[in-house]
Amino acid sequence: QVLLQESGPGLVKPSGTLSLTCAVLDDYISTSDWWTWVRQSPEKGLEWIGEIHHGGRANYNPSLKSRVTMSINKSRNEFSLTLYSLNVADTAMYYCARAVVDGVWSWFHPWGQGILVTVSS
Amino acid sequence: DIQMTQSPSTLSASVGDTVTITCRASQSVNSWLAWYQQKPGKAPNVLIHRASNLKSGVPSRFSGSGSGTEFTLTISGLQPEDFAIYYCKQYESSPLTFGGGTRVEIK
Repeated sequence: QVLLQESGPGLVKPSGTLSLTCAVLDDYISTSDWWTWVRQSPEKGLEWIGEIHHGGRANYNPSLKSRVTMSINKSRNEFSLTLYSLNVADTAMYYCARAVVDGVWSWFHPWGQGILVTVSS
Repeated sequence: DIQMTQSPSTLSASVGDTVTITCRASQSVNSWLAWYQQKPGKAPNVLIHRASNLKSGVPSRFSGSGSGTEFTLTISGLQPEDFAIYYCKQYESSPLTFGGGTRVEIK
């Protein structure tokens, strides 16, 4: 059973950059895997941020595409999210998860425990 | 974007009850729909994928049905551990979108 663990800063200043990492534990990032980021806030609910493939190809939510980059480090068994030009609306719990491909897109399992990110000066 | 609308937003029920949650999509998602359960302080956990396929290990009291734009999640014989928030999510097209959630609370 793969386990996921997010890490990163809990507080980021407005206009700053958020960098989060998701470590894939007790398993490895196989060549067929997709990995995803989801965030959750009281205002917006659950919001899909995007996903990245083992090979490095990524798909992003168009609403965030101009501010998001995802990457994957197979040697470290982790993948990352970078979100630029932060504003208070980016305050949320951020989750990483494995994306199980079913058809073209995916359902998500398992999820990390989440990391709370607050955007504030 | 495909909008997902859940009803009701809150549902009060007792242990042993059978409850049904509805999820409607603003356009057809065929059967590309998943249901997730979220408990306080925890990440969501998938229950059902492709509208009616029970995730391995999920109790059989959970069932899903529907296709196109209307879907239901039924819990037959509510257990104490089932009091949580339930979300539907379409994965027919990008961006993947979630419903607003249905809170199942103890009556």
